[in-house]
Amino acid sequence: TQLLEQSPQFLSIQEGENLTVYCNSSSVFSSLQWYRQEPGEGPVLLVTVVTGGEVKKLKRLTFQFGDARKDSSLHITAAQPGDTGLYLCAGFPMDSSYKLIFGSGTRLLVRP
Amino acid sequence: DSGVTQTPKHLITATGQRVTLRCSPRSGDLSVYWYQQSLDQGLQFLIQYYNGEERAKGNILERFSAQQFPDLHSELNLSSLELGDSALYFCASSGAQGLHGYTFGSGTRLTVV
Repeated sequence: TQLLEQSPQFLSIQEGENLTVYCNSSSVFSSLQWYRQEPGEGPVLLVTVVTGGEVKKLKRLTFQFGDARKDSSLHITAAQPGDTGLYLCAGFPMDSSYKLIFGSGTRLLVRP
Repeated sequence: DSGVTQTPKHLITATGQRVTLRCSPRSGDLSVYWYQQSLDQGLQFLIQYYNGEERAKGNILERFSAQQFPDLHSELNLSSLELGDSALYFCASSGAQGLHGYTFGSGTRLTVV
């Protein structure tokens, strides 16, 4: 059983479109992180959200941490081919703050 | 270059063999983490070391072991290898608990034939 469920698993969109990726759990997390991974490379940290309800913006990317700290979303505006990659959410469960648990990932393809 | 160095990048070995994967953390980071990434299971946490001491353990098999040395580099030892151990193995590092994020290496791709 995956502690962090991501949806959708796969997403193929046209350049310029908007998209949202979701990360959900029945557990409470002390913080959540989003990473992007490209083929042949390790995940690269995009953002960390710590406070319930927090919203962070990174250029065309908007990250939100749910009020109950059980879920998060990543919204990309006007997607570009360079956004293509595997997006992973990860979090520290409240009962196990030393173990960063990863979701199964959302594979995004942005077609030019 | 993330600052986390993993060697080797690729490894092909036979079932039953033993291999050692090496990781040098980013300068200044005391914590090292090992993850296994396979197609059907995503990134699975194996083990964490902080300043030479084991701090947390995930679903690491008994055939696998790790250690962190005084110079903070870490090694992951995989023995009695099985076909199912074929995967990408990532090392990551952070300061203290890593609550603000991990820095990952480029991984070691292990193929067991």
